[in-house]
Amino acid sequence: DSGVTQTPKHLITATGQRVTLRCSPRSGDLSVYWYQQSLDQGLQFLIQYYNGEERAKGNILERFSAQQFPDLHSELNLSSLELGDSALYFCASGESGANVLTFGAGSRLTVL
Amino acid sequence: GQNIDQPTEMTATEGAIVQINCTYQTSGFNGLFWYQQHAGEAPTFLSYNVLDGLEEKGRFSSFLSRSKGYSYLLLKELQMKDSASYLCAVRDHQAGTALIFGKGTTLSVSS
Repeated sequence: DSGVTQTPKHLITATGQRVTLRCSPRSGDLSVYWYQQSLDQGLQFLIQYYNGEERAKGNILERFSAQQFPDLHSELNLSSLELGDSALYFCASGESGANVLTFGAGSRLTVL
Repeated sequence: GQNIDQPTEMTATEGAIVQINCTYQTSGFNGLFWYQQHAGEAPTFLSYNVLDGLEEKGRFSSFLSRSKGYSYLLLKELQMKDSASYLCAVRDHQAGTALIFGKGTTLSVSS
């Protein structure tokens, strides 16, 4: 157990729908990072939050959004889902100024 | 932006030594990382280099040359459980503290 908790583990939904993925970082970590991993693209950085504020943006689509709450948990919202959004979504957390990111077990999204 | 290249696949036998290379191009280099990922599981941290040279940690070592934009991960005394994907990642000032990953090298270890 890495200490980073992601729910749900698996999610199956239909095109056009909206889903929310949740992440609780390790105790004491202020930063949360979201990544998408598909077979052909590898691990793609989506967005980072630090202590409730957006800190950095990667290849995040406009249909996707995220936020980090006062208790430091984060949610990734995916809307108008397409078949190509099927992927593993990982959350990682890190301490302020630390180098190592610790990953959660991931949420596997299947869009039918 | 960033560009990270590593071989797609490698094979090796138990007990052998394997070297996985990674080349990168980035404008604001701030560290290179190696992660291991078993199929369907979370990536786990293996090593970190920010200065040139070799970092050794048990059976795993990682090397960095910043001037050449080059790193390698060396795995010694290979075991079957080392069959996994090995992800090279860079930290770039432009992406804050996020890691930018290559597509990974899938290593298959056979007996």
